Amino acid sequence: QKEVEQDPGPLSVPEGAIVSLNCTYSNSAFQYFMWYRQYSRKGPELLMYTYSSGNKEDGRFTAQVDKSSKYISLFIRDSQPSDSATYLCAMRGVDNQGGKLIFGQGTELSVKP
Amino acid sequence: ETGVTQSPTHLIKTRGQQVTLRCSSQSGHNTVSWYQQALGQGPQFIFQYYREEENGRGNFPPRFSGLQFPNYSSELNVNALELDDSALYLCASSAGDLGGPYNEQFFGPGTRLTVL
Repeated sequence: QKEVEQDPGPLSVPEGAIVSLNCTYSNSAFQYFMWYRQYSRKGPELLMYTYSSGNKEDGRFTAQVDKSSKYISLFIRDSQPSDSATYLCAMRGVDNQGGKLIFGQGTELSVKP
Repeated sequence: ETGVTQSPTHLIKTRGQQVTLRCSSQSGHNTVSWYQQALGQGPQFIFQYYREEENGRGNFPPRFSGLQFPNYSSELNVNALELDDSALYLCASSAGDLGGPYNEQFFGPGTRLTVL
């Protein structure tokens, strides 16, 4: 069993839809939870991070962490064609030097005009 | 665009050969991490270098090795290449203990390695 599970999709939605992306994990030591966006042939770029449980909102993006269920989500409101990319969840424990990130498989999202 | 650069962009090698990939970290960052991303998969942690010392290693064999230089740039070396080594190799730099408890990792564009 992988430490982080993520539905690979692909997920196709019409422009303006609300998108829900999810990951589950098994390691209770994870404290930092991140969502990265990766366009084709590019490196991942950080969208949001959350420390421990709770919600965080940034514009059209909302990240939720439920540590009791070992479940994290990313919601995208009013999705745009420019949101079409692969979305990777990542997590790690607490350490001083940034530590290794454990990634999910990534969900490929396509937003149709 | 992050300030992390990688070279070369693409590389084709044959099985059994050796390869060296390079990474220049973002200004002010003293930590570099390397990841392997196979097609359709998430990145997998190879190892991390902090102030020129290896500081953590993932589940990769010893033929994957690295270096970090005094200017904090880094190399990833892979010996005895296998077909399964074909992947996108990503490096990420971070501020280490200077960056506080979170220490965001900034990724470069990657080097795409094809092993024939």
